[in-house]
Amino acid sequence: QLAVTQSPSASASLGASVKLTCTLSIEHTSYAVAWHQRQPERGPRYLMKVNSDGSHNKGDGIPDRFSGSSSGAERYLIISSLQSDDEADYYCQTWGIGIQRMFGGGTKLTVL
Amino acid sequence: EVQLVESGGGVVRPGGSLRLSCEASGFALEDYAMSWVRQAPGKGLEWVSGINWNGGSRGYADSVKGRFTISRDIAKKSLFLQMNIVRGEDTALYLCARARGEDYSDAVVIWGQGTVVSVSS
Repeated sequence: QLAVTQSPSASASLGASVKLTCTLSIEHTSYAVAWHQRQPERGPRYLMKVNSDGSHNKGDGIPDRFSGSSSGAERYLIISSLQSDDEADYYCQTWGIGIQRMFGGGTKLTVL
Repeated sequence: EVQLVESGGGVVRPGGSLRLSCEASGFALEDYAMSWVRQAPGKGLEWVSGINWNGGSRGYADSVKGRFTISRDIAKKSLFLQMNIVRGEDTALYLCARARGEDYSDAVVIWGQGTVVSVSS
């Protein structure tokens, strides 16, 4: 059983905003998550950690357009002013002792 | 610059062996936990194996337990994954990953580009 689940796809228009959702399983509702971006033909990139209180800590060089928030068992990645370069797969990850299936299935973001 | 560079991938027959390497630069390998994560064609990310900062604890996904072994060489600044008795379902891009802290069950914050392993007869 996955510790986190994600919708398989999302889409939004160029210049608009999008909110991607990562849902923690019932056993892990208080956990933090990390968001990662996987662009085509490139290695993943760590974006940020989102805590249960909604605070977030971004990785080096991550633009201000990327932010995070939380509500209950859900952790969000918000991307504003969408650019074509944002079209990618986004994965959330949680962690803890004994968690093997730590990554969600990923959300494929299409920028229209 | 913090960087991870994988090597050692290739084509291997079912039942065969392969050793992957990951060279780390820009940080001290002994200060952080490290993991191997893989992505099969058309699939998502799957944690494979991890090793704690001091090498004292190692973990494996059930799918590879007993077949794969993680190790490291501090002097060579390298992480390794010995893959034995490989199966078709081991075909994937294998990514080297550095954890945020000392425990491999922690957030990944640095990724390599990956090395491709293809299991085929």
